[in-house]
This record gives sequence, structure tokens and C-alpha cells, in this order.
Amino acid sequence: DTEVTQTPKHLVMGMTNKKSLKCEQHMGHRAMYWYKQKAKKPPELMFVYSYEKLSINESVPSRFSPECPNSSLLNLHLHALQPEDSALYLCASSQFKPTGGYEAFFGQGTRLTVV
Amino acid sequence: DAKTTQPTSMDCAEGRAANLPCNHSTISGNEYVYWYRQIHSQGPQYIIHGLKNNETNEMASLIITEDRKSSTLILPHATLRDTAVYYCIVRTALQGAQKLVFGQGTRLTINP
Repeated sequence: DTEVTQTPKHLVMGMTNKKSLKCEQHMGHRAMYWYKQKAKKPPELMFVYSYEKLSINESVPSRFSPECPNSSLLNLHLHALQPEDSALYLCASSQFKPTGGYEAFFGQGTRLTVV
Repeated sequence: DAKTTQPTSMDCAEGRAANLPCNHSTISGNEYVYWYRQIHSQGPQYIIHGLKNNETNEMASLIITEDRKSSTLILPHATLRDTAVYYCIVRTALQGAQKLVFGQGTRLTINP
């Protein structure tokens, strides 16, 4: 199994709603990531988890709250979002290769629309 | 991390080799060169990576110059399904999580 599964695929939420994005991988990877991608732009790193602990927060607003309940799951809790937060949210996991370097696996993303 | 420079867009005919250049003149000795691609509306996909030597896998070849200041990704027989944005990324290989940061990439269009 070399998949990173993200749910839901699409989400529409109001500015006062609370919702969560979910990400799951069963490859045994101990590093997991959240990225945000606006249309026609490259993915932007938001958070990095290493061994279930938050290791990097790229100055993301507190209305985005990540959580890593175990080594296979990564959540992104959303609260009081703005329309400009509408984007494709990508989850990834990575493994250190014995020959050196990393290979990252990305999910297909959750397309979020904030209304 | 070393900065990379890639052409904004490229075209290639189907069945021909697609050669995508990347400049990384400030790369340091312990930094790897990675290539990912993103087909429209999908998550990025790992292609290949290398440190000093040329590398080849089932998807592509990576040619790194001797001074390591530039590299070329080669898709030997491009198909229409290779139309995508290709990202060249330079990163150190540390244990643990990796801060994989994407630049603007090259939009490659394969024409029939």
C-alpha cells in the first residue's frame, strides 16, 4: 500500500463552521505534512509532523489546527476560516531511503471552499 | 536551502525526449536534487532524486553536472500523460521530517 488517503475530497464550509480534514497512510512513515495550494501556484508547506510531534509550523494562522493522533493519521481542524482560505489542501508522508534522500507520497487533496 | 531556477514553460512533441533543466548554483555538498511533478488536479508525484551521480529509474533519468550547479531531468519518450508541472527541489537529507519546499516549477506540455 503506497497510498496517502485524504477525506473528504471536496468540502464547502461557512465562515462560522468547524470542520476537519483527514489524512491516513499505512506505509509506516513517521513524517507527515500539510500543504496548501492555491490555483496555479505551487504547494505551500503549512505543518510538518515527525514521530507524531509537530516539528515545523510555517507561521500558519491559528484558525488552522493540526493534530497527529497516531503514526498513521493526520488531521487538520478548521475553524472560523475566511474565503481566501479556499484552496486545495494536500497531505503527504515521507520515508528516508536507504540509498540516501527522501521520497514523499502525496494524497489527492481536499478541495476546500469557504463561503 | 539552495534556490532553484527553472524555465516557466516548455513544449515537447509526443514520443520525443523531454529535457527539463534546473539551475541550483548555490547547492551545498550535502544537498540532494529532487524532482516531483504535479498533473492537473492531482497531488505531486515523486520522480527521482540524486546527490552527485546520474540516476535512472523507470520514469526518468537525472543528469547532474560535475560541479552540481545544474541538473536535467530527462523523460526519454514523452507521452501526453507526461503533461504536468515539474518541480526541481534541493534539500539536505537529514533524518526525520523534511521541509520540502516547492518553487514555481516548469509547466511541460506534450503535444501530439
